[in-house]
Amino acid sequence: GENVEQHPSTLSVQEGDSAVIKCTYSDSASNYFPWYKQELGKRPQLIIDIRSNVGEKKDQRIAVTLNKTAKHFSLHITETQPEDSAVYFCAASRGDYKLSFGAGTTVTVRA
Amino acid sequence: GAVVSQHPSWVICKSGTSVKIECRSLDFQATTMFWYRQFPKQSLMLMATSNEGSKATYEQGVEKDKFLINHASLTLSTLTVTSAHPEDSSFYICSAIRAGGATDTQYFGPGTRLTVL
Repeated sequence: GENVEQHPSTLSVQEGDSAVIKCTYSDSASNYFPWYKQELGKRPQLIIDIRSNVGEKKDQRIAVTLNKTAKHFSLHITETQPEDSAVYFCAASRGDYKLSFGAGTTVTVRA
Repeated sequence: GAVVSQHPSWVICKSGTSVKIECRSLDFQATTMFWYRQFPKQSLMLMATSNEGSKATYEQGVEKDKFLINHASLTLSTLTVTSAHPEDSSFYICSAIRAGGATDTQYFGPGTRLTVL
């Protein structure tokens, strides 16, 4: 099955700085890569996603890049704010709707 | 749109009893729903795929006789944890995919916190 690795496990940044989270996947058939933000005790919320026919996607302060050859994708958050503090999960799917999640990254934005 | 609810939001039960958790898509029909389990400070682990009108598909290592899944309608899937034990204590989250939707985006429920004493 698909194996998704996510780094780093924790990330502390100064407010206003950028945060980058990286994920690698093992199954070359994977074609859908969403990113979720989860606050403590809450449901995961989709913040951005990318499909294998696109190399980069941006939505305001959030961007995702995908390198199919290397089988890795990254989340970039610019101008971080305290409300960006949460656990972020990457995931991969091969088109059968089943998501394989990374282990998560705890992001702390220091005011 | 695309709201998914779960009931109950939390439940405490005694060891050996069974607990039923409901997952509903409130404003759309969902032919496929998923059940995940999340232990503290860990990731979401897919337990099973629930398809309306057919048997659920379980992931490797998940006991189908212990975690009973019923997807009786296009808006409701239930997970029953039978003979619950303390090690079953976890955060159970469902998700749903909109039937006939243009994307395969999964919409997550708010989760159910199960504590088995």
